[in-house]
Formats: sequence, C-alpha cells, structure tokens
Amino acid sequence: AQSVTQPDIHITVSEGASLELRCNYSYGATPYLFWYVQSPGQGLQLLLKYFSGDTLVQGIKGFEAEFKRSQSSFNLRKPSVHWSDAAEYFCAVALNQAGTALIFGKGTTLSVSS
Amino acid sequence: GAVVSQHPSWVICKSGTSVKIECRSLDFQATTMFWYRQFPKQSLMLMATSNEGSKATYEQGVEKDKFLINHASLTLSTLTVTSAHPEDSSFYICSAKSGRRGTDTQYFGPGTRLTVL
Repeated sequence: AQSVTQPDIHITVSEGASLELRCNYSYGATPYLFWYVQSPGQGLQLLLKYFSGDTLVQGIKGFEAEFKRSQSSFNLRKPSVHWSDAAEYFCAVALNQAGTALIFGKGTTLSVSS
Repeated sequence: GAVVSQHPSWVICKSGTSVKIECRSLDFQATTMFWYRQFPKQSLMLMATSNEGSKATYEQGVEKDKFLINHASLTLSTLTVTSAHPEDSSFYICSAKSGRRGTDTQYFGPGTRLTVL
C-alpha cells in the first residue's frame, strides 16, 4: 500500500540555521509529491510539488526539495530558517496526476529558537 | 490565488444532534472536493471524495450514513455529521481541485473544529 513516512515528529532549529525535513514514500510507480505547511488557524498551504523533470524543486518562502528515486525520498530544505517558519509540515503523495486525493505523512512540527 | 473557505470555523454541539459544515471555492470552479479528518498531532485522513453532481466516494471505514456529503454546485460541498457523538470531535478539512486539465493542485480550507459534548 502507498504510504508516506516523516521520521521526525518534532524538530527545533535556531533562527538563521539551515533546515532539512525528511520524507520517505512507498509507491510502486512515479509518485506526485507535495510539501504543505499548516500554521495554527490556517489552511494547508502548498510549498512545492514534484511531478517530473528536474529533481530539485523550488518552492515558496525560500523552500526547496529534492526527489531521490533511489532513496524514495523527498526531503524539504531551507538554507536559513526564520521564526515565522515555525509550523507543522506535511509531506504528501498523490497517486496520479488526475487528482486522486493525497496521502499524507504524520507531519513534522518545526520550532524555531532565537 | 485560489481560495477555499469553510464555515463554521468551529462548532460545539450536543451529542445526538447533526452538524453541517460548508466548503466553498471562492474564485474557481471545483469539480472535485475532498473531505479530510485530522486528529490532534495526527495526519490528515481522507474521508471521501466528491464530484459535482454525483455521489461521493467514501474511504474504507468511513460511514456514509453518518457523514453525508453533498456537492450540489461547482463551488459548494457540504459535510453533515449526523447524530454526532463525542468520538466525532475532530478537525475537519476540505480541499478543492479545479477541473481544468493539467491543474493538479488541491487548495485547502482552513478547517472546522467540531466538539461534541
């Protein structure tokens, strides 16, 4: 069965430091991969997505993610974290490009220390 | 950008009553809408997929008679939790997808917090 694993439940990063959030997926075919951010009281916001092509994807707010098929991973990175980045981050996979609903990981809570 | 709203943002009800949650796409037509449920510190779990003008498709383990979904127009889907019980207390989130070909992004609403007493 398809699944998404986010190994880190909670991460704390100092402001200005770099960030990497891990995501591994299990899916037999080419996955469509997403990263979403959820802030309290806000809806999920799409940070970036990967469908095909260049395996390094640029997103909003300075985030990027790299698709590594050999590792079944789609890790999210940011070179310098801001306090406003503190939120819940979800990795998700869609089963096809037609819009089949997303399968989400359990999320990683990011705290930013000053 | 595409905006999806939900109403109400939070609701408290007594056990045994029914609650209706609305999901609206404000600036685009959504041929497909999805309903998710999120427990505290947990991921979003898909409950059902609804296509405008047709019956919703429910995920395994979701009671279709308890969670009634209606997608009567291209901008509105409703989720009715019937005869709510405390275990139905949760955060319900909808998402909407544009029907345009090649448009794959789902836009999420801010969620509705349901508390059943």
